[in-house]
Amino acid sequence: AQSVTQLGSHVSVSEGALVLLRCNYSSSVPPYLFWYVQYPNQGLQLLLKYTSAATLVKGINGFEAEFKKSETSFHLTKPSAHMSDAAEYFCAVRTIYNQGGKLIFGQGTELSVKP
Amino acid sequence: GAVVSQHPSRVICKSGTSVKIECRSLDFQATTMFWYRQFPKQSLMLMATSNEGSKATYEQGVEKDKFLINHASLTLSTLTVTSAHPEDSSFYICSASGREEQYFGPGTRLTVT
Repeated sequence: AQSVTQLGSHVSVSEGALVLLRCNYSSSVPPYLFWYVQYPNQGLQLLLKYTSAATLVKGINGFEAEFKKSETSFHLTKPSAHMSDAAEYFCAVRTIYNQGGKLIFGQGTELSVKP
Repeated sequence: GAVVSQHPSRVICKSGTSVKIECRSLDFQATTMFWYRQFPKQSLMLMATSNEGSKATYEQGVEKDKFLINHASLTLSTLTVTSAHPEDSSFYICSASGREEQYFGPGTRLTVT
């Protein structure tokens, strides 16, 4: 079985500060990992994905994440937070990397950015 | 990128009535679509997997007779909430499987009065 744990339901940073959102996964098979962002009353937008290629993945809006198998982690980072980054972030693992693979989501982390 | 639409974006209905929500993949064909439910400040809960031309697969605890799913074509899946009650009020999100990832619709806010 696969699972995802996001440490911290709420993270607050100052504008310009480093953003670090934590995600740990559990999987008996090589995982495929995703980070999504959700703005209020909207669907999910893919930030980045790990699909067994490079372990350091760069995504949109300056975000990146590093897959660390030894730590079973896939933390999301951004060097400098913008006010527009305030949103809900979800880490997810996929059971099989093809059509039909279910996504298992973490609990989500709400990011607040202070001016 | 691939676009998924949902209609309606918001709907208010009276208790006991049924509501249909449409999920369309606009520029690609999706053999598989997923339906999620999201409560405020919570994560997405997978309700069912919808496969074109076959019966949907429901997650444990989801009433298949209450949440009817139809996936009649490669670009359209529908979710019908039958005999809706206030506890069915929620944010419903669909996604469509592309070649590499799932593409999410904008969601439908259902309020049952």
